This record gives sequence, structure tokens and C-alpha cells, in this order.
Amino acid sequence: AQTVTQSQPEMSVQEAETVTLSCTYDTSESDYYLFWYKQPPSRQMILVIRQEAYKQQNATENRFSVNFQKAAKSFSLKISDSQLGDAAMYFCAYPNDYKLSFGAGTTVTVRA
Amino acid sequence: GAGVSQSPSNKVTEKGKDVELRCDPISGHTALYWYRQSLGQGLEFLIYFQGNSAPDKSGLPSDRFSAERTGGSVSTLTIQRTQQEDSAVYLCASSLNPGGQGDTQYFGPGTRLTVL
Repeated sequence: AQTVTQSQPEMSVQEAETVTLSCTYDTSESDYYLFWYKQPPSRQMILVIRQEAYKQQNATENRFSVNFQKAAKSFSLKISDSQLGDAAMYFCAYPNDYKLSFGAGTTVTVRA
Repeated sequence: GAGVSQSPSNKVTEKGKDVELRCDPISGHTALYWYRQSLGQGLEFLIYFQGNSAPDKSGLPSDRFSAERTGGSVSTLTIQRTQQEDSAVYLCASSLNPGGQGDTQYFGPGTRLTVL
């Protein structure tokens, strides 16, 4: 079974600074996707970024980027120039066919 | 277009009562998913619909839980004889191309269920 591990329950970052959230996963597949979702207090899960495992290039979406290390099965999320609106819980997710397996989540607080 | 919507936003019920939670997916999305988010268990998959069929109900925690989908659109998750351990946020998601790993799931705002 695929498992997803987020080892940081909470992270704090100063506004305009950078924070990196870690995620490791376990799979025997060679071709797969990985996702980061953001869940603000409104509860709605919002897709932040998606990575295709066969692509060498790390995915980037504006201030959000990933460091994908396939051999190490690591998929970290970097938030640059942090803003107050980035405060939320962030989940790493691995799709087992159509079922998403989520990590435990990392709560990000942004200090003004 | 409109995103995934869920109703009610919050539901408080007494132990032993039945509840119905509704999900309206993004128009044109054939796949629909239910997840449960609770403090102790994190995010868990409950059930998956392809059209009106549910090929995977493996995540439903007990036979008190059932779900249906009609017209390839709206889905209802029903919990009978609710128990306190059913208290959680129930999230619905939909996607365009079911079965593909790269298919992005779009989530609704969830229903917070509290069983007293």
C-alpha cells in the first residue's frame, strides 16, 4: 500500500520569507503523479501544485515550487515570499489509481 | 464555472438519527469521490462513483453508511443511526477523467457533522 508521510505538524514563517514543507511517500510504481493541496480555515481543499514523476523538471506555480527527488521518494513544497493568505494546512497526496492517499498535513502560520 | 458544492455546511444531530449529506459536482465531471476528515484518522477515502455506479465502496466504515448518485450528477451520502465517532468533516470531490492517476480532484467546502 502506498503511504504518504509529512513529518512536520507545524511550520511558522515570517511574511516575505521562504518555508519548505517536507513529504515522503512509498510506492513501487515507476510512473505516477504527486499533489500538494492547501486547506485554509474555510475547509475547501485547493490544488496548489501537481508533479508528474517521469518529468525531470520540478513543477512551479507562481510562488510555489517543488523539489522532487524520485530516488529518495521525496516531494517537498517551497513557498517563496510568504503572504498572510498562505496560512493554511498543506497536504501532500499520492493517487492510488483514483483514491488519494494524504499525509497527515502541515499547518503553516505566517507571522506579519 | 461553478465549483463543487456541498450542503449543508454544518450539521448537528443527535446520536441515533439519520443524516443526508449532499454533493453537487462540477458540471461535466463523471467521477465523484467522498472522503472523511477527522482528527484521529486524518483524510480517508470513502467511496468513488463513475457515473451513477460505485465500483469502489471499500472505504465505507460500516453498513450504516451508504451513498448514491443520480443522473451522473448529484450524490448523497447517508449515515444511518449516527454515532459520536461519525463526527467529522465530509469532503466531496469530482474529476473529469476517472481512473487516471494524473486526474486532478476538485474539492467542495465540506460538511461538518457533529453527533451529540
